[in-house]
This record gives sequence, C-alpha cells and structure tokens, in this order.
Amino acid sequence: AQSVTQLDSHVSVSEGTPVLLRCNYSSSYSPSLFWYVQHPNKGLQLLLKYTSAATLVKGINGFEAEFKKSETSFHLTKPSAHMSDAAEYFCVVSERNYGQNFVFGPGTRLSVLP
Amino acid sequence: DTAVSQTPKYLVTQMGNDKSIKCEQNLGHDTMYWYKQDSKKFLKIMFSYNNKELIINETVPNRFSPKSPDKAHLNLHINSLELGDSAVYFCASSPHGAGGQETQYFGPGTRLLVL
Repeated sequence: AQSVTQLDSHVSVSEGTPVLLRCNYSSSYSPSLFWYVQHPNKGLQLLLKYTSAATLVKGINGFEAEFKKSETSFHLTKPSAHMSDAAEYFCVVSERNYGQNFVFGPGTRLSVLP
Repeated sequence: DTAVSQTPKYLVTQMGNDKSIKCEQNLGHDTMYWYKQDSKKFLKIMFSYNNKELIINETVPNRFSPKSPDKAHLNLHINSLELGDSAVYFCASSPHGAGGQETQYFGPGTRLLVL
C-alpha cells in the first residue's frame, strides 16, 4: 500500500525567497508522483507530475520537483516565491494498478509574506 | 468551457435529509472519481467509475451511493445525512483510469454543511 508524508503542515516564506515543500512517499511498486495546488475555496490544479521519465520535473508557475528514489522523496521547489503562490499544496502518490488510486498527503499550507 | 463541473457549489441541509451532488465532465474521459475533503483539508477517495462501471469503492457508509448514467456523469447521492458528512466533495476525471500515471482533473468542489 502506498502512503505520503508531507513533513511541514505550514511553511511561511517572504516574497522573492525560495520555496521548499517536502514530500516523502512509501510505495510497494514504481510510483507516479504528483503535486497539486489548491487556492482558497477553489478546486485542485496540477502543478507537475513524475511518471518514470526524467527525475527532475518542471511544472507550471516556475515550480519543479526532483524524484529521489533512494530517499523516497519528491520535494517541491521554486526559486522565488510570489504572493499568488499562497495556497495549500498536496503531494500525491499513485501506483500503476487499474483504477488509479490517488493517495494524498495531508497538505502543506504555504504563506507568502510581503 | 468548464472541464469538470459540479452542482451545487454549496449545500446546506438538515440532518436526516437526502441530497444529491451532480458531476459532469466534457473532456471525453473514461474514468470519474469522488473525493471527500474534511475540515483538516485531508483528501480521501470515495469511489471511482470507469465507463459506468464501479472500480474503486473505499470504506464509505452505504448511505453514499454513486450513480453513473453515462461516462460523462457521476452523481453522488447521500441518504440520511449526518453531521459528520459535512465536508467538501470533489469530483475528478482522468482519461482512462489505468496505469496510475494519468493526471486527474478536479472540479471546483461542493461544500456540504449538515446542521
């Protein structure tokens, strides 16, 4: 069975400084990994995903994540935070089985200070 | 234009009532899902349908019954609503639902409040 840990429930950064949101996963098989963002009172939007191709994945809005199998991690980074990045971020693991069962992490709330 | 839509957006009702939430996707996807997001923002899958066939049915009270009249629609009916059913319910869809690599596209959510 797969599971996801997001090590920080809340991260606060200043505008223009780097963002690091941490994610560790557990999976019995080769996983696919996703990061989704949820702005207040909105639905979820895909930021990026890893599906066994390049381990460094680039997403929308300047975000990227690196898959590290040895560390079972998929941390999300951005070089320079913008006020509009303030939102809830979810790391998701999916195993390659029929039905595509997404398992969500508990989420990290990102605050961006002016 | 909206890829995955849900109605209603907000639903306030009394305990014991029966209510339905509707979901439609215009992406031509084969697979649709229902998720529940609790007050702590934790998201958990409830059901998954592929071409109108139930694929995933997590441990959900049988007061919840999904219905898929066609592959573009997946509705959620809830009987005898309880206080603990208050949550945000998200519908999602993905192209085929197999392989575990597909992006799921989420609707805007339905905020259910049971009084």
